[in-house]
Amino acid sequence: ILNVEQSPQSLHVQEGDSTNFTCSFPSSNFYALHWYRWETAKSPEALFVMTLNGDEKKKGRISATLNTKEGYSYLYIKGSQPEDSATYLCASPGNKIIFGKGTRLHILP
Amino acid sequence: DADVTQTPRNRITKTGKRIMLECSQTKGHDRMYWYRQDPGLGLRLIYYSFDVKDINKGEISDGYSVSRQAQAKFSLSLESAIPNQTALYFCATSGTGNTEAFFGQGTRLTVV
Repeated sequence: ILNVEQSPQSLHVQEGDSTNFTCSFPSSNFYALHWYRWETAKSPEALFVMTLNGDEKKKGRISATLNTKEGYSYLYIKGSQPEDSATYLCASPGNKIIFGKGTRLHILP
Repeated sequence: DADVTQTPRNRITKTGKRIMLECSQTKGHDRMYWYRQDPGLGLRLIYYSFDVKDINKGEISDGYSVSRQAQAKFSLSLESAIPNQTALYFCATSGTGNTEAFFGQGTRLTVV
């Protein structure tokens, strides 16, 4: 898969609220999907590698789901904290790793 | 020490100059990538390499060239830098299959 779309482009969330955002991809020839967190002035770091339809993965307050038949993945953050402010990228690995443009998450105090 | 190291971290150069960005990795990965990041455009792939003898163009290779000197080293060159190549450049590596990418610290390049 090559075309990875993310929405929304930017999101403002009150501290303590939960939120989620979407990564969409063509459902044909699915191989895998990556989620990354990219904090300001740092480098992207992988959160999840997802491969199977129905996959659910969790790391602390962050979780992700995968639906390969309909071509989307959701990233959820429960009880947002200031340290969650970052850009969240999804990526399509295969012969090359192609990234979406990201969702920029701002946590408001 | 970082697993993926980029040098230099910051560089200002003049239009028309040749410049090389270097990347080295200690992860033992075969796959290496160069991306550039521009505001609002995310990470765009410039070149990628699966091994020393396998180098491929990415989405935006015009104006760039690369060299894979060894499994651990992948350099990006701008033969004649122009202002619209001002950007943040990232090197990354990955293992085989669907494994995740590991990024260097980034190189901020300004062409004046």
